[in-house]
Amino acid sequence: KAGVTQTPRYLIKTRGQQVTLSCSPISGHRSVSWYQQTPGQGLQFLFEYFSETQRNKGNFPGRFSGRQFSNSRSEMNVSTLELGDSALYLCASSLDGQTNQPQHFGDGTRLSIL
Amino acid sequence: KQEVTQIPAALSVPEGENLVLNCSFTDSAIYNLQWFRQDPGKGLTSLLLIQSSQREQTSGRLNASLDKSSGRSTLYIAASQPGDSATYLCAVGDRANAGKSTFGDGTTLTVKP
Repeated sequence: KAGVTQTPRYLIKTRGQQVTLSCSPISGHRSVSWYQQTPGQGLQFLFEYFSETQRNKGNFPGRFSGRQFSNSRSEMNVSTLELGDSALYLCASSLDGQTNQPQHFGDGTRLSIL
Repeated sequence: KQEVTQIPAALSVPEGENLVLNCSFTDSAIYNLQWFRQDPGKGLTSLLLIQSSQREQTSGRLNASLDKSSGRSTLYIAASQPGDSATYLCAVGDRANAGKSTFGDGTTLTVKP
C-alpha cells in the first residue's frame, strides 16, 4: 500500500511569490492534515480537510489556504511568501480524523524563501 | 490550550541500554496520544498510538504508556540500537478538533555503538 506522497520535495521561492504544495493520502484515507515544521516553533497545525471541506484551522494568516479534491488529494497554497515561511511542510492522512486511527505522514516539502 | 512538553531535549546512550522518553501534556481531555520518530530530512513515522481509554501499547522493543490523570506518557525502548537514533515526537490528539494533533518539540536520541 503506497504511503502519503508529497510533491515537490524541495522548492526555492523568493519573497512575494506564491506556492502550491500537493499531498496524496493513503488510499482510502479521507482526512488530510497539514503541518508546518520549523526549528523555532516545532510542528504547528495548519488545517485539516475531510470530504473536500475544511473542518479545522490553526492560527496561521489567511495567506495560507488549502483545498481537497474528490479523490481526497489535497493542495496547500501560500501567497505573498515571506522569509519566515521557510519550513518543512508536512501532510498527514488518516481514515477520517475522528476514529482512533493513527495519522500517517509524508516526507514533506522543504520550502526555502530567498 | 493544550501544551506538550518532552524532556530531555537530547539523550545519548550506549548501544544495548534500555531507555525512557517522557512526554507531558497540560489538558487531560485528550482523544489519543501518538509517538513518532523522525529521521533527518524525513517525515514522521508512526510508532504507537494509545487511545485515551488505554494504559499502554507495545510493538516489538517499544512500549508506550499513558497516564491521563497526571498528564504523562512514556516511551520505553528496550535494548537500544544505533538504528534507533532519531528524534522522537509525541503528539496529543484533540477530541474537539478532528485531524488536529499538538506536538511536543521532541527528544533527539543518539545510540552509540
